[in-house]
Amino acid sequence: GAVVSQHPSRVICKSGTSVKIECRSLDFQATTMFWYRQFPKQSLMLMATSNEGSKATYEQGVEKDKFLINHASLTLSTLTVTSAHPEDSSFYICSARSLHPDTQYFGPGTRLTVL
Amino acid sequence: AQSVTQLGSHVSVSEGALVLLRCNYSSSVPPYLFWYVQYPNQGLQLLLKYTTGATLVKGINGFEAEFKKSETSFHLTKPSAHMSDAAEYFCAVSEGGGNKLTFGTGTQLKVEL
Repeated sequence: GAVVSQHPSRVICKSGTSVKIECRSLDFQATTMFWYRQFPKQSLMLMATSNEGSKATYEQGVEKDKFLINHASLTLSTLTVTSAHPEDSSFYICSARSLHPDTQYFGPGTRLTVL
Repeated sequence: AQSVTQLGSHVSVSEGALVLLRCNYSSSVPPYLFWYVQYPNQGLQLLLKYTTGATLVKGINGFEAEFKKSETSFHLTKPSAHMSDAAEYFCAVSEGGGNKLTFGTGTQLKVEL
């Protein structure tokens, strides 16, 4: 099946710094990628939809200036958490949409801890 | 708008017993329905999905689910639980196979000896 990778798998940073998370579709092209956030023992909440070559669409309540999304190629989307604070600590999961078949494939997630 | 309700945040079964995880959905259009499994500190793995056609869907690891439009349900079952089935299970709905997903709150399955 299709494979989606995320890097890094785990990151610890200091409050006020920025962190970039990469999401790659390894064996297919994805015009659309999604970014989800999961708090401990909770469900996944969609943060934004990332479309290759255009601006991301953010869900209500998600700060687009804080969570910068770039989808510069058909196999790579990045999420940058700017000026991170402890409340941004979470598990971030991306998914990539394959058109044939039309389905989403999920990455393994990135654990972000902000000290 | 779409929504998913998973009844029971925690379900405990004995090894070899029937597994039943409940999911009800709400959708303004014909839904695409999914069940995912998540092991600790890992991403999501697709167990099965319903798009159109046959309402009984078979997935991996012996799981199956039945789409019941009249009950707006998509319950997940497995005839005989195995210790390796212990994980978090999420039901999700979308308006298309690859469109954005709305997840339920998840059900933690515990399998006891």
